[in-house]
Amino acid sequence: QQQVKQSPQSLIVQKGGIPIINCAYENTAFDYFPWYQQFPGKGPALLIAIRPDVSEKKEGRFTISFNKSAKQFSLHIMDSQPGDSATYFCAARCHDMRFGAGTRLTVKP
Amino acid sequence: SAVISQKPSRDICQRGTSLTIQCQVDSQVTMMFWYRQQPGQSLTLIATANQGSEATYESGFVIDKFPISRPNLTFSTLTVSNMSPEDSSIYLCSVGRGGEQYFGPGTRLTVT
Repeated sequence: QQQVKQSPQSLIVQKGGIPIINCAYENTAFDYFPWYQQFPGKGPALLIAIRPDVSEKKEGRFTISFNKSAKQFSLHIMDSQPGDSATYFCAARCHDMRFGAGTRLTVKP
Repeated sequence: SAVISQKPSRDICQRGTSLTIQCQVDSQVTMMFWYRQQPGQSLTLIATANQGSEATYESGFVIDKFPISRPNLTFSTLTVSNMSPEDSSIYLCSVGRGGEQYFGPGTRLTVT
């Protein structure tokens, strides 16, 4: 089912660093690209989302960069904190949502 | 956003039995989805459940194994039938609202 490729699989940064998670897709019919944050034992929580007519969207410390021609999008977390340690999933939707494999982020104090 | 609750939050079941998972949403939604998340893995769509019609199942999932009910616009159930250890997963209910998609807290199922 996976039509969205996500990398890296895991990522470790120091507090204050800027982790970047990348996703790529093939289906040009996708029209909605969200990012979800999941803590252990919890359901995924919608973090930020973008539509393909916009190249960048920022909400607080989280920024999505979107490159329609390259069919890629990425999540940047500014001034990362230990509380940001979680698994992050990118996704893309046409009729239903398809998820990337996930990135386990660890932010060291 | 959407407030979604699931029952039970977790369960341990014996092989060969069935478990019904309930999903309740705070207000009416047209589209509800059921996902499976195996340990340490991503989310896989099981089926889409729209009120008033039969659920639509993804490849690899069948109605006999995962029957779904959608009696109204705020409620749905997923049954995991004739369970085996391979069914041990987190089962997640999800709804679409305002162009966004939201997830419930999940039901952690362990089959022994």
